[in-house]
Parts: sequence; C-alpha cells; structure tokens
Amino acid sequence: NAGVTQTPKFQVLKTGQSMTLQCAQDMNHNSMYWYRQDPGMGLRLIYYSASEGTTDKGEVPNGYNVSRLNKREFSLRLESAAPSQTSVYFCAIGREGIYEQYFGPGTRLTVT
Amino acid sequence: RKEVEQDPGPFNVPEGATVAFNCTYSNSASQSFFWYRQDCRKEPKLLMSVYSSGNEDGRFTAQLNRASQYISLLIRDSKLSDSATYLCVVPRGNTGKLIFGQGTTLQVKP
Repeated sequence: NAGVTQTPKFQVLKTGQSMTLQCAQDMNHNSMYWYRQDPGMGLRLIYYSASEGTTDKGEVPNGYNVSRLNKREFSLRLESAAPSQTSVYFCAIGREGIYEQYFGPGTRLTVT
Repeated sequence: RKEVEQDPGPFNVPEGATVAFNCTYSNSASQSFFWYRQDCRKEPKLLMSVYSSGNEDGRFTAQLNRASQYISLLIRDSKLSDSATYLCVVPRGNTGKLIFGQGTTLQVKP
C-alpha cells in the first residue's frame, strides 16, 4: 500500500520546455490536490479535483494545467516552463468532508 | 493580516526542553485546525487535529484559543528526532481546501 506516489522525483528543464508531473493514489480518496512549496512562501494550492472528472483552480494556477484521468490519477502539466516555476511540487489526497490531507513524496523541479 | 501566520523561528532548544509555537488565524468562523510536521526535504505529515479546545498525544499538546484566534503546539521533553518544521493548517471554509502557514522550524540540540 504505497499511499500517494509521484513521478518523477527530480527534474531539470530548460525555459520553454514542457513536462507532466504524475500523481497516483491507492487509498480510494475522492479529492486530489497539487501544491507548490517555495522558501518563505509555505505551501500554495495550484489546482485541485474534488472528484473524478472535476478540476478547479487554486491560488496559483497560472502556467499550469491539470487532468484527473480517473479516480486514482491526477496529473499536472507545465506547457512552457519558466524559471519562476522552480519549486517542490506535492500531490495530496483527501476524503470528502474530511480535512486531513495526505501527501506524496514530492517532485523537485528546476527550470533553467 | 495573513490568513494563517506563524513565527518561522528557528527555535533552538536543548534535549529535554519544553517548547511552544503559536499560530494565529484570521477567519473567526474556522472550526478545525491541524498541525503538520515536515522533515527536511520530505513531505508534510499530519501530526495532530484540533476540533475543540485542544488535543493531547503523548508529549504533544495542541490548544485552541478561539477568543484570540490562535492555536498553540506544546512539545514536552524534546527529542533530537523532533527537529523539523511544524506547519499550522486551517481549512478554507467548507471548500475542502487548506491554508498552510509558513511553518516554524525547531532544532533540538544534544
């Protein structure tokens, strides 16, 4: 039972390149979230999905797109990476009506 | 005023010490609160939930002061393994979203 998995763990991109961060869960939770964490800024919500087939913007959605492929998987896409997107990205899951969230191990992304 | 505010520290304490962190929140309607622990270069993990006036789990006590809109986390008999960043978290209304504080860093030294 892996909980929440994220791939890749590390990635270096050049400005303008695109990539997709993958998140998968085996806990059967409805809600899934993408956060970014920057020094001094705390965790900020990029996008979330309350259930399969639905997605909604968080605090900092610009430059990102998401796809809730099925109940298990929630991907985050950077279409044209910028140095400002250098960050640690965490996927999290939660159950409807329950506020506790469980996080994946994170993806460390550097954009040069 | 920030929605959730914490003193970033770092708090440097010797082993065995008692240490307390405070977190203030701006939404007086908030009903539940959480403390997460984040080790260096790791993901945040839920430490404690607070739904009423407080919660206690071993050496850890969380207290809620609704009148002054702050939550505290008290750690007794600090261990080296308690060294981490502690994140204060408040739900954003009934949206299912969470608001994270910047975190307070604790360093426990031998």
